[in-house]
Amino acid sequence: AQKITQTQPGMFVQEKEAVTLDCTYDTSDQSYGLFWYKQPSSGEMIFLIYQGSYDEQNATEGRYSLNFQKARKSANLVISASQLGDSAMYFCAMREGRSYGGSQGNLIFGKGTKLSVKP
Amino acid sequence: KAGVTQTPRYLIKTRGQQVTLSCSPISGHRSVSWYQQTPGQGLQFLFEYFSETQRNKGNFPGRFSGRQFSNSRSEMNVSTLELGDSALYLCASSFSPEGSGAFFGQGTRLTVV
Repeated sequence: AQKITQTQPGMFVQEKEAVTLDCTYDTSDQSYGLFWYKQPSSGEMIFLIYQGSYDEQNATEGRYSLNFQKARKSANLVISASQLGDSAMYFCAMREGRSYGGSQGNLIFGKGTKLSVKP
Repeated sequence: KAGVTQTPRYLIKTRGQQVTLSCSPISGHRSVSWYQQTPGQGLQFLFEYFSETQRNKGNFPGRFSGRQFSNSRSEMNVSTLELGDSALYLCASSFSPEGSGAFFGQGTRLTVV
């Protein structure tokens, strides 16, 4: 079973509008972290935002916010006031919590959503 | 503060050769993870190092290996290259394995011909 599911392979949004990119996750750990990354065509993976499983408030970073619904296991990324430079692939990722023998540091990625911003 | 530096950026190798990729993490970060990105398989975890110890390894053949030095710089090596090893190799740097930030370098694009 997939641990991170991004159901939108591609999305279009009009410049200056808000857009929500979906992400659902599957874990039995109580402690975990959720990440969103942006990958432009250059290939670099740019860190956008982080939400810890115990964080009570939704994370925000400038125009990015994470709509964290723990019971639904959903961590949607909201981009407000879209800009042309936001056109890129967006990846949701999870770092699971401690397992016997030590914590797991690796990230598990979804397949990504390609966002295109129209002028 | 310098970001994560991966070298080289681009590489072309022939089947059967070996290759070494380098990753210098953000200053003060001691955790380095490696990922392979291909169009077919997406982003897959290779291995994770913390304080010179491999803590976790993904499901890749033994041809893929890595190490971390005392200054936290990491290298990964792929021996006996196959065409399917053509990919973007990304390295991520964290203060610790549980860190809330995982910052990536620009990647090394490896092409095997």
